[in-house]
Amino acid sequence: DGGITQSPKYLFRKEGQNVTLSCEQNLNHDAMYWYRQDPGQGLRLIYYSQIVNDFQKGDIAEGYSVSREKKESFPLTVTSAQKNPTAFYLCASHKGARGLSEKLFFGSGTQLSVL
Amino acid sequence: AQKVTQAQTEISVVEKEDVTLDCVYETRDTTYYLFWYKQPPSGELVFLIRRNSFDEQNEISGRYSWNFQKSTSSFNFTITASQVVDSAVYFCALSESSYNFNKFYFGSGTKLNVKP
Repeated sequence: DGGITQSPKYLFRKEGQNVTLSCEQNLNHDAMYWYRQDPGQGLRLIYYSQIVNDFQKGDIAEGYSVSREKKESFPLTVTSAQKNPTAFYLCASHKGARGLSEKLFFGSGTQLSVL
Repeated sequence: AQKVTQAQTEISVVEKEDVTLDCVYETRDTTYYLFWYKQPPSGELVFLIRRNSFDEQNEISGRYSWNFQKSTSSFNFTITASQVVDSAVYFCALSESSYNFNKFYFGSGTKLNVKP
C-alpha cells in the first residue's frame, strides 16, 4: 500500500544536538511538506518542496533545514538553533499539480522532546 | 489574522448525540478549497472531505455532513449519532492556489470527546 512513512515515532534531543526526522513516500508525489504541531494549535508550515532538488521556507523555518535529493525522501533536521523544538512533526505530500488543490496525505508523525 | 478559525477548542458529547464542528475562513481569492481532516490518537491526519469554492452544495456521507456557506465564510461539519470512534481532533483547512504552490492554512483544531 502506498503511503508516507515517518521515523522514528519518538525522538529525544539533547542540548546543542542536531537531530534528523525521516520522511519517505511511495505515492510518486512531487510536493512534500513539513508541519509542526503544538498542543492546542494548528499545523504550522516549516518547509515545503515542489520538486526534487528544490525547497522553500515556510512560516517557521528558523532552526530547521531540509534536503530533497530524491523524490521519495524529504528529511528534516532540527538544529541546535531551534530553541524550542519540543513538538509533534508531521510530513505530508500531494501530487503537486499546479492550479489544482490536491488533498494532502500525511504520515503518522514524530514526537520530538528535549532531554 | 487567522485564515481559518475553529472557535470550539474542545467538545464533549454522549454517544448518539449529534454534534456540529464550526469552521470560519478568510480569503480574498475567488478560487479556493476547503478541507476537513480527522486526527485520531495515532497522530496521522486522515482526509475527510474537500470542497471547492464554486460548489456550495451540501454533502452527506453516512453519519457525516458538511454545510458550506460562502455568504458567512463557513464550512461546518456535523456528525449525526456520534460514536466513541469519532473521538479525535478535527481540523478545518483552507487551500489557496497560487503560481508557486498550494498553501494550506489549518485551524487550531477541535477536540471531540464522545463518551459512551
